[in-house]
Amino acid sequence: EAQVTQNPRYLITVTGKKLTVTCSQNMNHEYMSWYRQDPGLGLRQIYYSMNVEVTDKGDVPEGYKVSRKEKRNFPLILESPSPNQTSLYFCASRGGRGSGKPYNEQFFGPGTRLTVL
Amino acid sequence: DAKTTQPPSMDCAEGRAANLPCNHSTISGNEYVYWYRQIHSQGPQYIIHGLKNNETNEMASLIITEDRKSSTLILPHATLRDTAVYYCIAAFSNNAGNMLTFGGGTRLMVKP
Repeated sequence: EAQVTQNPRYLITVTGKKLTVTCSQNMNHEYMSWYRQDPGLGLRQIYYSMNVEVTDKGDVPEGYKVSRKEKRNFPLILESPSPNQTSLYFCASRGGRGSGKPYNEQFFGPGTRLTVL
Repeated sequence: DAKTTQPPSMDCAEGRAANLPCNHSTISGNEYVYWYRQIHSQGPQYIIHGLKNNETNEMASLIITEDRKSSTLILPHATLRDTAVYYCIAAFSNNAGNMLTFGGGTRLMVKP
């Protein structure tokens, strides 16, 4: 089954304790992205990646890092989490040109609800 | 990407058609109209997209006006499981980076 998986689904942590949220897709997609969703602010893009070793900042990158060492994985790293990073996080992927899919049909993961105390 | 405007909420009776409007008056000729929905904090789900012509798939129909300044998503026989936030997005098909901009959407409540 084609899917995007995220782990963990729920996490409560404390300020300053480094954490990683993993994201993996099994569709051989080139593009992957991280969003955060907050009440009243909609979905905002954090980072995106156009391929292995190619990443760039989205709209709200401060306090986050990403890496793309393999095509299927795109982890989100919070080196020193703070309470304002409490949010619902989504990973998404989509194919590139020639993937046979609508170019902007994104597949989203189930979400990770993060609470930073 | 062009800005879209949607009503914040709508109700629909179960079994009836749900017609969700979207205005995108500044859409450019190469921008597509995409519709996604998000069911209660799950990941958004792609529904349909179109450029100029009306489109239909197993989930919904998309009607785009001739001047492309507005569109309507139609769920022909709404069920309770269609209760969700529906997002209308105007975007170029080849945008490499900033993939999609989700606005506030329309919260559709399907009632028995």
